[in-house]
Amino acid sequence: ILNVEQSPQSLHVQEGDSTNFTCSFPSSNFYALHWYRWETAKSPEALFVMTLNGDEKKKGRISATLNTKEGYSYLYIKGSQPEDSATYLCAFMTNAGKSTFGDGTTLTVKP
Amino acid sequence: DGGITQSPKYLFRKEGQNVTLSCEQNLNHDAMYWYRQDPGQGLRLIYYSQIVNDFQKGDIAEGYSVSREKKESFPLTVTSAQKNPTAFYLCASSRGRAVTYNEQFFGPGTRLTVL
Repeated sequence: ILNVEQSPQSLHVQEGDSTNFTCSFPSSNFYALHWYRWETAKSPEALFVMTLNGDEKKKGRISATLNTKEGYSYLYIKGSQPEDSATYLCAFMTNAGKSTFGDGTTLTVKP
Repeated sequence: DGGITQSPKYLFRKEGQNVTLSCEQNLNHDAMYWYRQDPGQGLRLIYYSQIVNDFQKGDIAEGYSVSREKKESFPLTVTSAQKNPTAFYLCASSRGRAVTYNEQFFGPGTRLTVL
């Protein structure tokens, strides 16, 4: 079983704070790294699909970077808002189509 | 509307009974996945399928079985051999490994409780 680790497990920040999370994954047999946001009572939704070393993706106030050689990805949220409160999951994808998810980082943004 | 449906939302079964969870997608996706979530944990892969009539075991396949007879359907059977079947089950689909941007789309989930 591949080891995909996310840290921290949970995070509480004030509205307006910027924050970041880490996803660590094996550096071998890499095909893609996905980030998902999972809000309470909803289904997980994709944020980013990252495939190339050095990739940087951005969607509004959220951005992500990828380092496949050292096996990590960072997710950044600038100026957190209460609506950003959710669990953020990363998923390591192999070229065989197998996915391994981390346990997630649960973000709570206080108004 | 295109999407993934799972039914039922809540399911109760007696210990020792097999139960089948439904997953249907009308997104014309090639790949489909089944995950299990337990409290405090992430999603763990049970089975996945990249194409009709083919599927592979995930990390926790013991006690589960699947079929992929149609592109749009990927039912999961929780057998009596599964030691701790009470959990939240999520189904997902994607365009498949041949497509670079193959993010997964998730259904609403089924919460199974075995009494």
